Amino acid sequence: DTGVSQNPRHKITKRGQNVTFRCDPISEHNRLYWYRQTLGQGPEFLTYFQNEAQLEKSRLLSDRFSAERPKGSFSTLEIQRTEQGDSAMYLCASSWGTGGTNEKLFFGSGTQLSVL
Amino acid sequence: KQEVTQIPAALSVPEGENLVLNCSFTDSAIYNLQWFRQDPGKGLTSLLLIQSSQREQTSGRLNASLDKSSGRSTLYIAASQPGDSATYLCAVSRNSGNTPLVFGKGTRLSVIA
Repeated sequence: DTGVSQNPRHKITKRGQNVTFRCDPISEHNRLYWYRQTLGQGPEFLTYFQNEAQLEKSRLLSDRFSAERPKGSFSTLEIQRTEQGDSAMYLCASSWGTGGTNEKLFFGSGTQLSVL
Repeated sequence: KQEVTQIPAALSVPEGENLVLNCSFTDSAIYNLQWFRQDPGKGLTSLLLIQSSQREQTSGRLNASLDKSSGRSTLYIAASQPGDSATYLCAVSRNSGNTPLVFGKGTRLSVIA
């Protein structure tokens, strides 16, 4: 168990470019979450998966954002046509849980995105 | 819509002091409340999880209490150390028990040696 791994750690891109982030959760965890955090704020929920199924998406997740978790293992978060407002830390977390459980979340170190 | 507020936003204390961080939430219909620690530029580390039926949880020098009906939680840190310097975040889950968690903005703690 090496914890939740996120790559890359930092990404600098120009406005209008597409970017993709990867998250490798703890291997036995069935749930995977994506959050976004800006300076001085708490993390904001974006989306989550239970196994390969995307169960919920926040209204924050515009059409330019898409997330996948093929085969219920790693996940990718893609942002198309990036905007300066997309600059943030993108955090991934995983857990073992089913409905109505008190699950403990394990977070990765995040990917810091800067859109110039 | 659930809102989580943490007071104070920042706190600076000398080493050895006991301190209390406060968290309040607007909708008392929660399943659990969690406290996290975040070091600069890093992810979050879960410290304590309090189920809605519980009143408090303890781990080492940390004690978290929950008053669900009044929408409040406190995190008590005993005998603070410089290594405790970090941002502490409170988060609540919805009544069904399914995440996502709703986070506060955090309290930035500095413990001065």
